Amino acid sequence: QKEVEQDPGPLSVPEGAIVSLNCTYSNSAFQYFMWYRQYSRKGPELLMYTYSSGNKEDGRFTAQVDKSSKYISLFIRDSQPSDSATYLCAMGRGAQKLVFGQGTRLTINP
Amino acid sequence: DTAVSQTPKYLVTQMGNDKSIKCEQNLGHDTMYWYKQDSKKFLKIMFSYNNKELIINETVPNRFSPKSPDKAHLNLHINSLELGDSAVYFCASSGEGATDTQYFGPGTRLTVL
Repeated sequence: QKEVEQDPGPLSVPEGAIVSLNCTYSNSAFQYFMWYRQYSRKGPELLMYTYSSGNKEDGRFTAQVDKSSKYISLFIRDSQPSDSATYLCAMGRGAQKLVFGQGTRLTINP
Repeated sequence: DTAVSQTPKYLVTQMGNDKSIKCEQNLGHDTMYWYKQDSKKFLKIMFSYNNKELIINETVPNRFSPKSPDKAHLNLHINSLELGDSAVYFCASSGEGATDTQYFGPGTRLTVL
């Protein structure tokens, strides 16, 4: 079993839909949780960063961490075609040694 | 102003050759990383350097050797390239704190023929 599991998709939704992306993990020592967005042929860029449990909101993006279930989520509201990318979850005991999920490829259709 | 830059962007080479990838960051960060992303998009850490010292060394063949001439640069040298080394290699950097986030370079797409 991988330390971090993420459905690779692909996931295709219409513009304006609410998107839900998820990861599960097995290491209860993880404290730092991130979501990265990676456009085709580009490097990952940090989207959201959460420490421990709880929710964090930034514009149209909301990150949730449920440590009791070892489950993290990223919600995208009012999705736009420019949100089409691969979304990678990442986590670790510290922010330096991160374990990444496989990434979910998301397409928002106009 | 590119924060984390890598050269070359593309690298095509024959099996058995030796090649290097260079990385530079102008963010003033103390920690730099090398990651490998395979064809299935799995991104795995290979090495991490803090202020020119190796701090993370995952299970990577000895053919891979990182070199950090100063804290703004971390180069990756690969000896005796194999077909399985074909991947995209990303450099990243972060501040010294345990909570500091990582910033990635644009990647180097290595193809071994």
